[in-house]
Formats: sequence, C-alpha cells, structure tokens
Amino acid sequence: NAGVTQTPKFRVLKTGQSMTLLCAQDMNHEYMYWYRQDPGMGLRLIHYSVGEGTTAKGEVPDGYNVSRLKKQNFLLGLESAAPSQTSVYFCASSYAVRASDTQYFGPGTRLTVL
Amino acid sequence: DAKTTQPNSMESNEEEPVHLPCNHSTISGTDYIHWYRQLPSQGPEYVIHGLTSNVNNRMASLAIAEDRKSSTLILHRATLRDAAVYYCILRLPGGGADGLTFGKGTHLIIQP
Repeated sequence: NAGVTQTPKFRVLKTGQSMTLLCAQDMNHEYMYWYRQDPGMGLRLIHYSVGEGTTAKGEVPDGYNVSRLKKQNFLLGLESAAPSQTSVYFCASSYAVRASDTQYFGPGTRLTVL
Repeated sequence: DAKTTQPNSMESNEEEPVHLPCNHSTISGTDYIHWYRQLPSQGPEYVIHGLTSNVNNRMASLAIAEDRKSSTLILHRATLRDAAVYYCILRLPGGGADGLTFGKGTHLIIQP
C-alpha cells in the first residue's frame, strides 16, 4: 500500500514550457486535491476532484489545468509555465468529505521555473 | 471557514511534553478541529481531530476548551522527529470537498 505518490519529485522548467504532474493513490479514495506551497506559507488549494471525470477550481486555479480520467489518478498541468509557479506541489486524497475525514498527502513535487 | 490563530514558533526540549495552542474564537458549534503536521521536506500528515471531547491517539492528545474557542495539541514526550510545522484547521460540518485551509502554523523546534 503506497498511499499517495507523486511524479516527478523535482523539475526545472523554462518560462513558457509545459509539463504535467502526476498523482496516484491506491486507497480507492473518491476525492483528490492539488495544493501548492510557497516558502514560509501554508498550502493553498489549486484544483480538486470529487470523483472520476469531475474537477473543480480551488483558491488559486489560474495557470493550471487538471484531469481525472481514472479514479486513482489526478493530473495537474501547466500549459505555459511562469516564474510565479515556482513552488512545491502536493497532492492529497480522502475517502469522503465529512468534517471528520482526513486527507492523505503525497511527498510533493518541487518545481522551479526559470 | 472560521479562522485559527497559532503562535509562529515554539521551542521545547527533547523528552519533555509540548503544548501547542490554537485559538478559534469564531468556531461554530459543529466545526471539527483538526491538526496536521509537516515534517521538513515532506507533505502534511494527519495528527488528530476532535469535536467537543478530549481525544487521544498514538501520536498525541487534543484538549478542547469547554467553550471550544481554543484547543491544545499535546505531545507527551517530544522527540527530535517531532520537529515540524503544526497546523490547526477547522472543518465545516459538511466537510467541504474544497480541501483544507492551511494557515502558517506553528514551527516546533526540539532541542536535544
């Protein structure tokens, strides 16, 4: 049981390049999330998904797109990377969204945009 | 979501108890209080949560004030591995599919 995994762990992009971050979970969770964390800050929600084939915007969605074609995978795309997107990206999943439910986080992807 | 207030940092000695406070004076009657922590260079991990009664698990204890306007995360015997940023987060009754709202948390420093 690997939990939540993220690929890649590190990436350096040039401004304008594109890339896709992959998140996978093996816990059969319905809900998945993408967060970003800037230095010295808490996490902020980018996009989330309440089930296969569904996505929704979070607090900071601009410049990102997501897809949830399979229940276990949640992809985060940057179509044209900008230096402001330099951050650490975390994926999370949860079984449900009751107030008592917990989220399980991946190890993060450290992205630098030059 | 109701807001939480935590000290920016705290320092403690190894093998001593640590009490991490959180104020949430605007909490509603059905908000759950969650604590997560983030070890250096890792993703956040769940620690504990509660509604009204004090809670214990293998990692920590959560003491909730009678009026629920504050809570305290208690690490009974801190180790160097407990050095992390600790986040106090409120969850609405419906949970909310829109994720967790993280503040800046409390940076816990453990001295050997």
